[in-house]
Amino acid sequence: EVQLVESGGGLVQPGGSLRLSCTASGLTLRGYWMQWVRQVPGRGLVWVSRINSDGSTTTYADSVKGRFTISRDNAKNTLYLQMNSLRAEDTAVYYCARGLFTNSTGCIGYWGQGMLVTVSS
Amino acid sequence: DIQMTQSPSSLSASVGDRVTISCRASQSITKYLNWYQQRPGKAPKLLIYTTSILQSGVPSRFSGSGSGTDFTLTISSLQPEDFATYYCQQSASVSTFGPGTRLEIK
Repeated sequence: EVQLVESGGGLVQPGGSLRLSCTASGLTLRGYWMQWVRQVPGRGLVWVSRINSDGSTTTYADSVKGRFTISRDNAKNTLYLQMNSLRAEDTAVYYCARGLFTNSTGCIGYWGQGMLVTVSS
Repeated sequence: DIQMTQSPSSLSASVGDRVTISCRASQSITKYLNWYQQRPGKAPKLLIYTTSILQSGVPSRFSGSGSGTDFTLTISSLQPEDFATYYCQQSASVSTFGPGTRLEIK
């Protein structure tokens, strides 16, 4: 089965850290831009970050810049999101996403099932 | 940053109806506009990319059009499984999603 599976979410206190992982099965991440998108339950989709195919170029939304770090390990077919200095407003379902076409920052062809991150004391 | 707006924010329609959802960008994104469908509790699903190209497996009742700053998603004859939330996304610059249009059964 083709899927992206996120892990590492859960409850964390404000100011704490979490690392999300996204592992692909049945499809490769090699050669594709990868992204993280988040969604507060009941609200819309918000783009968070992206990384190019070899990990040399990363971009972040202003709301997470300086606190979140996106990375990847192509040998492990895995994407990561290190989240530091977490705030209540970071509470959301986090989706990892793969581009539809190789070496393209365009549309998202594959999405993970989503991982809930809750920041609360 | 490019901002995206959608209208309407919600829409009530009946099975068999033709519906149109609009998406507007704050500046020209040429043709780099994508549409996603999201059902409750599920991940989004790509419907249309680059304004008008239907993703593989998506029914032909879905279509997209537009250019520059104004785009539309049309569903020609609503089916029960189409009641969901629809998002546009620009991929001309760093990605931005529209706020969504919730399509409900009348």
